[in-house]
Amino acid sequence: DGGITQSPKYLFRKEGQNVTLSCEQNLNHDAMYWYRQDPGQGLRLIYYSQIVNDFQKGDIAEGYSVSREKKESFPLTVTSAQKNPTAFYLCASITGNYGYTFGSGTRLTVV
Amino acid sequence: AQSVTQPDIHITVSEGASLELRCNYSYGATPYLFWYVQSPGQGLQLLLKYFSGDTLVQGIKGFEAEFKRSQSSFNLRKPSVHWSDAAEYFCAVGAVVEYGNKLVFGAGTILRVKS
Repeated sequence: DGGITQSPKYLFRKEGQNVTLSCEQNLNHDAMYWYRQDPGQGLRLIYYSQIVNDFQKGDIAEGYSVSREKKESFPLTVTSAQKNPTAFYLCASITGNYGYTFGSGTRLTVV
Repeated sequence: AQSVTQPDIHITVSEGASLELRCNYSYGATPYLFWYVQSPGQGLQLLLKYFSGDTLVQGIKGFEAEFKRSQSSFNLRKPSVHWSDAAEYFCAVGAVVEYGNKLVFGAGTILRVKS
């Protein structure tokens, strides 16, 4: 079945450490997105990419980085510059107008 | 800037009772509007969407929503709630940005169903 796979489901980060969250889709979608979810704040856009080798900052890009070397993959790195990284991270992809498909998420915790 | 307001953080309804979740949006053009549902620790599932045409939109799981331009609202309704409907619900508006489009989400409403 087509869909979006996010891994790992749970991730623990030590202070000062960079970690990378994986997002893979087999839907042949052009655009991919990363959202951050915090309780009571809904989802906020971190980065998005419309095509391979191109990506744009969203509303809360500071402390994060991404790459888009392949159409199927859009990994998100949470760097040590992100001071409050504990959150639930959701990856999404779309084709056409707003036909968003979401992954099942990665919960990142700082230890 | 685009924004979405969901005034109710929590709502509790009895099983079998009707449900209405409120959503107000701010967007300059004709909006694309969505309702998503999320179970704990899971991704988001699309319930329904409004692009144009009939202002009453039918979705999955017996949900419907009505677009009212004069009130900038897109409220979600269900005539009879089931215990399995307990989840968090998000309203979103589609917004055009410099390099494509994005979804702007409300803060969510947590629905509790009591038996």
